[in-house]
Amino acid sequence: SQTIHQWPATLVQPVGSPLSLECTVEGTSNPNLYWYRQAAGRGLQLLFYSVGIGQISSEVPQNLSASRPQDRQFILSSKKLLLSDSGFYLCAWSGTGYEQYFGPGTRLTVT
Amino acid sequence: AQKVTQAQTEISVVEKEDVTLDCVYETRDTTYYLFWYKQPPSGELVFLIRRNSFDEQNEISGRYSWNFQKSTSSFNFTITASQVVDSAVYFCALSPHFSGNTPLVFGKGTRLSVIA
Repeated sequence: SQTIHQWPATLVQPVGSPLSLECTVEGTSNPNLYWYRQAAGRGLQLLFYSVGIGQISSEVPQNLSASRPQDRQFILSSKKLLLSDSGFYLCAWSGTGYEQYFGPGTRLTVT
Repeated sequence: AQKVTQAQTEISVVEKEDVTLDCVYETRDTTYYLFWYKQPPSGELVFLIRRNSFDEQNEISGRYSWNFQKSTSSFNFTITASQVVDSAVYFCALSPHFSGNTPLVFGKGTRLSVIA
């Protein structure tokens, strides 16, 4: 069966510090991968998605970036965090079934 | 353009009441998928159901049922005899077409509170 992992689960970072969130998927190959952000009490905002290694589509302009160095690994990064980057970050994958399966999420607080 | 509207921002019901969560979608595609997800307080989104645009049969799974009507572009979700564990944010989503590589379009969610 497929599983998706995200770490860390929670993170508190000062403004201006770098960020690296990691997502890995097990039990499937060549998945589509997604990064979402959810501000407190708000809906889901798609940040990036990837249909293959090195292929990244960005949905919104921001100080975040994403990379996919391996087939089942998706990394979200920032060189300098802003207060507005605080939120709940969710990674998801999809295969041929179209539905997306989500990881447990990372709760980021920028202070 | 594709769009999913969940007009109900928050709903509060007493345990054992039935509750319906509304979802209206917009798409120019003739073929598409619709989805419902549940986000409990823990935060992880849980996939509940997928329905393709060719299948308008209603579906029932335990206390959950879904009503898909293409004529009104709606895909409503009913919970029968609600329980406290049903308290969560529920998201409706649309896959614009059958490519499989296009991200889902999510509604803004409906927060359901079931009070004991």
